[in-house]
Amino acid sequence: AQKITQTQPGMFVQEKEAVTLDCTYDTSDQSYGLFWYKQPSSGEMIFLIYQGSYDEQNATEGRYSLNFQKARKSANLVISASQLGDSAMYFCAMREGPGGYQKVTFGTGTKLQVIP
Amino acid sequence: NAGVTQTPKFRVLKTGQSMTLLCAQDMNHEYMYWYRQDPGMGLRLIHYSVGEGTTAKGEVPDGYNVSRLKKQNFLLGLESAAPSQTSVYFCASRKWGRDTEAFFGQGTRLTVV
Repeated sequence: AQKITQTQPGMFVQEKEAVTLDCTYDTSDQSYGLFWYKQPSSGEMIFLIYQGSYDEQNATEGRYSLNFQKARKSANLVISASQLGDSAMYFCAMREGPGGYQKVTFGTGTKLQVIP
Repeated sequence: NAGVTQTPKFRVLKTGQSMTLLCAQDMNHEYMYWYRQDPGMGLRLIHYSVGEGTTAKGEVPDGYNVSRLKKQNFLLGLESAAPSQTSVYFCASRKWGRDTEAFFGQGTRLTVV
């Protein structure tokens, strides 16, 4: 069963507009974490933002914010004021695992294209 | 400050050949991970390690073996390569703890013909 689900294979957004990328997850762990990574066409993986399952406030990093709804098991990424350089693949990932055996699994990604 | 370095960056193998991909990190991280990335599939976890001398299976471990003899190195082996193993392979490392991000290498593009 898929642990991380990203239902939007592709998204378009107008420059300077905000966009929300969806992510739902499935885990039975009490302690887990959600990450978002950006992969531009050059291929490198860039860490954007992290949310721990015990964090009461939604994480924010500059123009990125994570809309964490624990009961719905969703961790959507919101990018405000989109820029052309935001065009990339975006991956949601989850850290889980018993004790010290923490693994990080990824969703299938969303390709975001920012239109001038 | 190199971070996570993968060797090689590109490789072409013939079916049935073997090879080892090397991942080296200089951040003294405990966790290390190997992923493969295929179009439309995202990154799938192959194997991971929580410390020197330990390894564990991920989502797609078949056809791969790993070893972590030294804390800084995590090796991914293909004993008998198959065309289905054509992919881009990423290594990542994480510091011990709950709220730590994964740092990625630049990837290895492997083609099996």
